[in-house]
Amino acid sequence: DQQVKQNSPSLSVQEGRISILNCDYTNSMFDYFLWYKKYPAEGPTFLISISSIKDKNEDGRFTVFLNKSAKHLSLHIVPSQPGDSAVYFCAAKKDENKLVFGAGTILRVKS
Amino acid sequence: NAGVTQTPKFQVLKTGQSMTLQCAQDMNHEYMSWYRQDPGMGLRLIHYSVGAGITDQGEVPNGYNVSRSTTEDFPLRLLSAAPSQTSVYFCASSLYRGAGYEQFFGPGTRLTVL
Repeated sequence: DQQVKQNSPSLSVQEGRISILNCDYTNSMFDYFLWYKKYPAEGPTFLISISSIKDKNEDGRFTVFLNKSAKHLSLHIVPSQPGDSAVYFCAAKKDENKLVFGAGTILRVKS
Repeated sequence: NAGVTQTPKFQVLKTGQSMTLQCAQDMNHEYMSWYRQDPGMGLRLIHYSVGAGITDQGEVPNGYNVSRSTTEDFPLRLLSAAPSQTSVYFCASSLYRGAGYEQFFGPGTRLTVL
């Protein structure tokens, strides 16, 4: 039972354009959502987060949008850069600090 | 600050062998956790700890033991390795309750069980 789903295994975007990564969840008890970025042979690194009481959070080139009624969140990267090429994981928190992760989306930014 | 460190980086075991994956953090974080990453499945929580002396099971705890005798260290023990435990293991730490819940991850241990 996958509570957090990233339905696109991969995404390819031209440098300078917008990258949109999507995430759907099923558990309405999730109260906090996070995006992590992972390069090969490294651990995931935190990118941006959003509380369930908000619908948008922005940090530089990265914006996360949350649609609670649709149980959907998305990460927008504008403009995309080649260094953004990585695996992006969506994660959701329900109890204490426990996180539930999606399967990840591979982003390739072409120069 | 070294952040979260893990040893070893790579390990090959035979079925039935036991071993301990080491994890340490120098950020004085109360919360520590172990995840495994398998293709197409994201990261799944194995065990976690909210402070020294306190541990609990996550989503996939079978075949693994943990202990937390100090704030800094959170080792993961494989009792009798099985091929199904071939995976990449990540340790993570964070402040507990509040402060954004963001967890800091170590570089991972790639384990192969033959």
